[in-house]
This record gives sequence, C-alpha cells and structure tokens, in this order.
Amino acid sequence: SQTIHQWPATLVQPVGSPLSLECTVEGTSNPNLYWYRQAAGRGLQLLFYSVGIGQISSEVPQNLSASRPQDRQFILSSKKLLLSDSGFYLCAWSVKGVQPQHFGDGTRLSIL
Amino acid sequence: ILNVEQSPQSLHVQEGDSTNFTCSFPSSNFYALHWYRWETAKSPEALFVMTLNGDEKKKGRISATLNTKEGYSYLYIKGSQPEDSATYLCAWIDMNTGFQKLVFGTGTRLLVSP
Repeated sequence: SQTIHQWPATLVQPVGSPLSLECTVEGTSNPNLYWYRQAAGRGLQLLFYSVGIGQISSEVPQNLSASRPQDRQFILSSKKLLLSDSGFYLCAWSVKGVQPQHFGDGTRLSIL
Repeated sequence: ILNVEQSPQSLHVQEGDSTNFTCSFPSSNFYALHWYRWETAKSPEALFVMTLNGDEKKKGRISATLNTKEGYSYLYIKGSQPEDSATYLCAWIDMNTGFQKLVFGTGTRLLVSP
C-alpha cells in the first residue's frame, strides 16, 4: 500500500532563517506531488505541484521554492522566512489523471 | 482566482440527525469536483471525485450529488454519528488549468454531539 511521510510535524523558526520541509511517498511510482498551505482562517491553497522529477509548477508568487530531486521526494524550501510564511503545510500525492489526492500529516510552521 | 464557497461554515447536530451542506463553484469550465473529510489531528481523506453532471456518489452513510450547470454539489450525511465530526472540504478543478490544480473551499465544520 502507498504511504506518505512528511516532516517535521511542527517547526518554530525565526524571521529570516531558511526552511526545508521534506515529503516522501512509498509504494507508488511517478506520482504527482503537491505542496499546500493553509493560513489562519483560509482554505487550502496550492503552492506547487510536480508531475515528474525536476518538473515544478508554481501557483502563487511567494518566498518559497520547491524541488523534486527524486521520483518520490518533494522538498519545500525558503532562503529567508517571512512572518507571512506561518501556516500549516500539507504535502499530497496522486496518480495521474482525475484521481483523489492523498495527504500527509502536515507541518505546523510558526515564524517568530 | 475563481472562488469555491462552502456553506454553512459550521454545523452542530445531534447524533442520529441527517444533515447536508453545499459547495458552490464556477459553472463554466468545470472539470471535476473533489470532496474530502478532515478530522482533527489527522490528514484530509478523500471521499469522492465527481466529474459528470447529475453524478451521485455514495460511501456508507455519506453521499454527494453534482450539478455542473448551476455550479453546486451537496454532501449528505444520513444518521450522523460523533465520528462524523470533521471539516468537510470540496475542491473544484477548472478544465483550463489541468487536473492537478484543485481550488479548495474553506470547508464546513461539522460537530455531532452524542
């Protein structure tokens, strides 16, 4: 069966520090991978998606970047965090086509 | 950005009550609609993926209908149980943007009291 791992579960970072959140998927090949953010009082917002290694689509101009160095690994990064980067970050995967997405447990990021 | 709206924002029912809530989305360029259940301290779980106007899907006591011409979907829960307490999210896909891009509503938070 397929599983998705996302870490860390919580993170407290100072403004201006770098960020690296990692997500890995097991039990499937060539998945679509996604990063979402939920800011306080808002719905899930798609940040990035990837349909293959090295292929990243950015949905919202922002202070973040994403990379997919391996088929089942998706990384969310920032060189310098802003206060507005605070939120709950979710990684998800799906098979190709109009299929449901499967989410990780999320990372609660607080910027001080 | 085109909006997906869900109503009500929150709902509190008694065990055994049946309930329903609404997801409204742009009726033009419809591609698909997803429903997810998000329980506290867990990750969102897919309930349904709906693509055809008039579609009805069912999973246990939960069912959903879809009207793409008028841009809405209803989610029904029959005989609510405390374990149904969760936030229910819908997400719309625009045919012009591809199947990867889900636009989520802010959800309906359901609380079922014993």
